[in-house]
Amino acid sequence: DGGITQSPKYLFRKEGQNVTLSCEQNLNHDAMYWYRQDPGQGLRLIYYSQIVNDFQKGDIAEGYSVSREKKESFPLTVTSAQKNPTAFYLCASLRQGGNQPQHFGDGTRLSIL
Amino acid sequence: DAKTTQPTSMDCAEGRAANLPCNHSTISGNEYVYWYRQIHSQGPQYIIHGLKNNETNEMASLIITEDRKSSTLILPHATLRDTAVYYCIVRASNTNAGKSTFGDGTTLTVKP
Repeated sequence: DGGITQSPKYLFRKEGQNVTLSCEQNLNHDAMYWYRQDPGQGLRLIYYSQIVNDFQKGDIAEGYSVSREKKESFPLTVTSAQKNPTAFYLCASLRQGGNQPQHFGDGTRLSIL
Repeated sequence: DAKTTQPTSMDCAEGRAANLPCNHSTISGNEYVYWYRQIHSQGPQYIIHGLKNNETNEMASLIITEDRKSSTLILPHATLRDTAVYYCIVRASNTNAGKSTFGDGTTLTVKP
């Protein structure tokens, strides 16, 4: 079945370490997105990419980095510069053009040890 | 993209219709209304979307007012599994979905 796969589901990080969250889609969508969700709150956009080898900062990009070397993959690195990384991270994709909805993965929950 | 306003929480009795409102008074003519829901610790699930006509699918119905300033998502026979956070967003077609704002949504609790 087509969809978005995020891995791992749970991730633990020691303070001062970088960690990379994986997001893969087989929907042949052009655009991909990373969101952060804190308890009881909505989604906040971290980064997005509308085409391979190009990406833009969202509302809360500080302390995060991304790459888009392949259409199907959009990994997110949480760097040591992100002072409060504990959160639920969601990846989404979208077929550009028209009015189709975004598709979301099931998220990765990151915690600091 | 237009901003939306939703009630923080709602309750519904199992088997009854759940009617979730959304205000989008600044919606533009080319912006669609989308509804998603999120069950705890999962990713948002798409439910339905529409431009100006009422829409229905196997999950829900979407009623958009004639002036398009508000809409209502209807779950005709709510079950306990419909307990979730429901998000209403607006977005123009052919635009970057990342500019859409997922606010805090409405927490719907379906009670036995």
